[in-house]
Amino acid sequence: SAVISQKPSRDICQRGTSLTIQCQVDSQVTMMFWYRQQPGQSLTLIATANQGSEATYESGFVIDKFPISRPNLTFSTLTVSNMSPEDSSIYLCSVGEFWGAKNIQYFGAGTRLSVL
Amino acid sequence: EDQVTQSPEALRLQEGESSSLNCSYTVSGLRGLFWYRQDPGKGPEFLFTLYSAGEEKEKERLKATLTKKESFLHITAPKPEDSATYLCADPPQGGSEKLVFGKGMKLTVNP
Repeated sequence: SAVISQKPSRDICQRGTSLTIQCQVDSQVTMMFWYRQQPGQSLTLIATANQGSEATYESGFVIDKFPISRPNLTFSTLTVSNMSPEDSSIYLCSVGEFWGAKNIQYFGAGTRLSVL
Repeated sequence: EDQVTQSPEALRLQEGESSSLNCSYTVSGLRGLFWYRQDPGKGPEFLFTLYSAGEEKEKERLKATLTKKESFLHITAPKPEDSATYLCADPPQGGSEKLVFGKGMKLTVNP
């Protein structure tokens, strides 16, 4: 299984600032995903990041607020821009391993963000 | 709208007291039903994927089963270390590889 490292593991930020979260994978993967887990809620997909193309955002998430980079097959970043307290969540990176009709997604440990 | 519903939302068991968690889904053309375990402060840990009705998979004290409308995670003789939040997830229609997650079920096993 893929080993995923996320940085930072947690941060406390001021309103109006931005935070960039890094996701490093120990093997080359085609598809990387960024999820948000708000307190007491389920995981919600923010966007899918494929190397060599623009990220695909889910309904309710926009590039200006959550810009994503995917410079190579082992690395991606998610930036949370112009933060407000409502952005306080756990942000998770995941990667998919697909073969045939089957797929498994593995998750990093997450970044716990608190916005004051 | 694609939906995954888990019940109960929370469950408290005594060590050794077996039980089952339910996950119901509304997406037709199932392309896998996923179970994950999430410990506090950690990302979800993959447990199982089930692809067809009647399929079963086991891992230690856990067994996942699948019907056409729902999946069950059976926990046999649980131990305190089985305490965690258990999530199920389903890929939505349209061929996307993303996952739609249920809200999770927090299991507490008391010694």
